[in-house]
Amino acid sequence: IAGITQAPTSQILAAGRRMTLRCTQDMRHNAMYWYRQDLGLGLRLIHYSNTAGTTGKGEVPDGYSVSRANTDDFPLTLASAVPSQTSVYFCASSAGVADHNEQFFGPGTRLTVL
Amino acid sequence: GQNIDQPTEMTATEGAIVQINCTYQTSGFNGLFWYQQHAGEAPTFLSYNVLDGLEEKGRFSSFLSRSKGYSYLLLKELQMKDSASYLCAVLNSNYQLIWGAGTKLIIKP
Repeated sequence: IAGITQAPTSQILAAGRRMTLRCTQDMRHNAMYWYRQDLGLGLRLIHYSNTAGTTGKGEVPDGYSVSRANTDDFPLTLASAVPSQTSVYFCASSAGVADHNEQFFGPGTRLTVL
Repeated sequence: GQNIDQPTEMTATEGAIVQINCTYQTSGFNGLFWYQQHAGEAPTFLSYNVLDGLEEKGRFSSFLSRSKGYSYLLLKELQMKDSASYLCAVLNSNYQLIWGAGTKLIIKP
């Protein structure tokens, strides 16, 4: 079934630990995105990739890194987790970055940093 | 700065019509999206507007006025399953989506 998968579904992490959130899509989409969603705030873009081999910083990139070695995978790494990174993380993809390309979202990862 | 404003919460009755408004100020404009998000789930695409006017898709319609920086989502014949958050997002000049905080719609029988 075509779509986006994320792993893990949820995670509780001690502050200072390193964590990688995984994201895989099988729609052969060029563009991929990582967002965080916090109560009372809109989705905020962390990092994005317009095509395999390229990445860019979004609105809230500090403390996060990404890589895009191939079309399908777009992992997000927290090098040293802090409590303010407690959030729900959504990965998304789109065919391209132009106007009408809707973004398709994965099911999300609920991360708690203690 | 860039911001998207929409009401935090609205309540409507099953079978009725509800209009959810969205105003925006962004650096450039390449279209406006509406997404639906049920509690605990991912957002799903509802509509896209880039030209002024009304786009109709079944029970849902979306309107855009670029000169006023304004859009609305109109939901007709409300059903209990329409209880969800509705997210307004604008594609800016960098082709990045700027998101509103969402409007939580509560449907009462």
